[in-house]
Amino acid sequence: GQQVMQIPQYQHVQEGEDFTTYCNSSTTLSNIQWYKQRPGGHPVFLIQLVKSGEVKKQKRLTFQFGEAKKNSSLHITATQTTDVGTYFCAGPDGGATNKLIFGTGTLLAVQP
Amino acid sequence: GAGVSQSPSNKVTEKGKDVELRCDPISGHTALYWYRQSLGQGLEFLIYFQGNSAPDKSGLPSDRFSAERTGGSVSTLTIQRTQQEDSAVYLCASSLGYDQPQHFGDGTRLSIL
Repeated sequence: GQQVMQIPQYQHVQEGEDFTTYCNSSTTLSNIQWYKQRPGGHPVFLIQLVKSGEVKKQKRLTFQFGEAKKNSSLHITATQTTDVGTYFCAGPDGGATNKLIFGTGTLLAVQP
Repeated sequence: GAGVSQSPSNKVTEKGKDVELRCDPISGHTALYWYRQSLGQGLEFLIYFQGNSAPDKSGLPSDRFSAERTGGSVSTLTIQRTQQEDSAVYLCASSLGYDQPQHFGDGTRLSIL
């Protein structure tokens, strides 16, 4: 079945440094979503990308959908302690029910 | 408006007992998902309901797990004869459709003694 992998699994940065997490799917995705889960919380939707090569920005966060629609990235510029959490990508699995499946997640730790 | 509501927020039970977890989705959301998340781990898909279609049960780990969704709204996840490895946070999410953003509840933290 389809797999969605994220790298790295864990990243520790100093506050002010940049951070990037990469999401790779074994199959083409019709769209990709990104979620953030704070420690002790539940995942919260950040953004959805639909078009090949699409780039969207939310303040210090930049999201990109690959040309082949099989990979995506999330880049955070000048991290802050409020960025701490696990970032998940997710996409429809393209199967009979086209359910959304989540990537393995990247845990970001930010040292002040 | 109200978000996704899950109850109970915490459940402690003895091994071998049955448990029922409840999810009240956002009104009008046709899609409902159940996930399991162990400490420090990712989201393990369990089951997916979409409208009146047959649910996608492909993620249920064993026949001890079952779920239903009555009237296209409230859903219950039942775990029979609980085992210690069932201890985890069970998250419910709802959305307007299969490719729409998911809204998560706060989860039920299940502990099996």
